[in-house]
Amino acid sequence: GENVEQHPSTLSVQEGDSAVIKCTYSDSASNYFPWYKQELGKGPQLIIDIRSNVGEKKDQRIAVTLNKTAKHFSLHITETQPEDSAVYFCAATYTNAGKSTFGDGTTLTVKP
Amino acid sequence: GAGVSQSPSNKVTEKGKDVELRCDPISGHTALYWYRQRLGQGLEFLIYFQGNSAPDKSGLPSDRFSAERTGESVSTLTIQRTQQEDSAVYLCASSSAGTAYGYTFGSGTRLTVV
Repeated sequence: GENVEQHPSTLSVQEGDSAVIKCTYSDSASNYFPWYKQELGKGPQLIIDIRSNVGEKKDQRIAVTLNKTAKHFSLHITETQPEDSAVYFCAATYTNAGKSTFGDGTTLTVKP
Repeated sequence: GAGVSQSPSNKVTEKGKDVELRCDPISGHTALYWYRQRLGQGLEFLIYFQGNSAPDKSGLPSDRFSAERTGESVSTLTIQRTQQEDSAVYLCASSSAGTAYGYTFGSGTRLTVV
């Protein structure tokens, strides 16, 4: 089955700096890669996703890149703000897989 | 409502009691998932429902755990003879057309077994 590894487990940055979280996956059949943000006391929320037919996707301050050859994908947050502090989860799946496989999460702290 | 609704939001129960957790998915979402999240930990898959197909129960940790779903609507997760190690947040998620789309999660039920 699919295996997703996520790094780092914790990340601390100064407000205004960039943050990068990386994930690798094992199943070359995976074709959909969502990212979720979980704030304290809440369920995870989908913030951005990418499909295997594109290499990069941007939405304001967040972007995701995908390298299918190397089987890794990354979340980039620019101009970080304190409200970006949360736990971020990556996931990988493919059509009809049944369920997504999640990484173990990255706790991002943005210091004001 | 527009989101995934879970109830109760908090549940404290005595060891050995049975509990039922409820999930109302987004209308029209055919796929429904239950995950367990222990304090400070990641998402542990429990069970997955897709339409009228047999559910994927491969993540249920023991036979004390079971779940049902009525058609493509409400789901209940039942834990029998609760143990202290069952204490966690139980998250429900739904998605349209299964795995090629992102999940919408509920806020979870925080279960504490004392």
